[in-house]
Amino acid sequence: GAGVSQTPSNKVTEKGKYVELRCDPISGHTALYWYRQSLGQGPEFLIYFQGTGAADDSGLPNDRFFAVRPEGSVSTLKIQRTERGDSAVYLCASSSTLQGNNEQFFGPGTRLTVL
Amino acid sequence: DAKTTQPNSMESNEEEPVHLPCNHSTISGTDYIHWYRQLPSQGPEYVIHGLTSNVNNRMASLAIAEDRKSSTLILHRATLRDAAVYYCILRVGNYGQNFVFGPGTRLSVLP
Repeated sequence: GAGVSQTPSNKVTEKGKYVELRCDPISGHTALYWYRQSLGQGPEFLIYFQGTGAADDSGLPNDRFFAVRPEGSVSTLKIQRTERGDSAVYLCASSSTLQGNNEQFFGPGTRLTVL
Repeated sequence: DAKTTQPNSMESNEEEPVHLPCNHSTISGTDYIHWYRQLPSQGPEYVIHGLTSNVNNRMASLAIAEDRKSSTLILHRATLRDAAVYYCILRVGNYGQNFVFGPGTRLSVLP
């Protein structure tokens, strides 16, 4: 079956611009996660959705970052007034339950470059 | 969040076993031990997880110390396709939500 997909695969933008990154989770997965990965580092948690609601947004670095999941499926990560330090690979993952032993399925990521 | 420590890098020869260590001395009783790996230019993928007992699956084995303060991921016969960054992660209880990734261990497999 289809895995987690993310679009675009690459995004180049200029400092100060607004960007949207999309994640299509595996069908039926209620939990969705966004991570950010800088070069040479492990992924860093940003936000987690259970259904339509953001259950934990403690990883969002500041109020320029926002994410939505209006119908409990597709999610969009939105970054306002982008800065060069926002350049990273943004990863999305989904899982089927809240259980701690449940596998997270990751997408291939969106590489964001802010010039 | 409970922390894990892993060597930055390891090397192995193809078709030999690989033992990837992880220390998690502050683990609590309800923390599950998860291993994920990340191949170049891909998102992380699940490898194995466990709580107290050793675990085996088609990809690897997980050996958990009796005191649970350390664990070892075992690849029985490394292939070139196993070259990746391996992450050892603690997930809190049955309702742990997000993963806290460290920098992981970069495994190189030599032909």
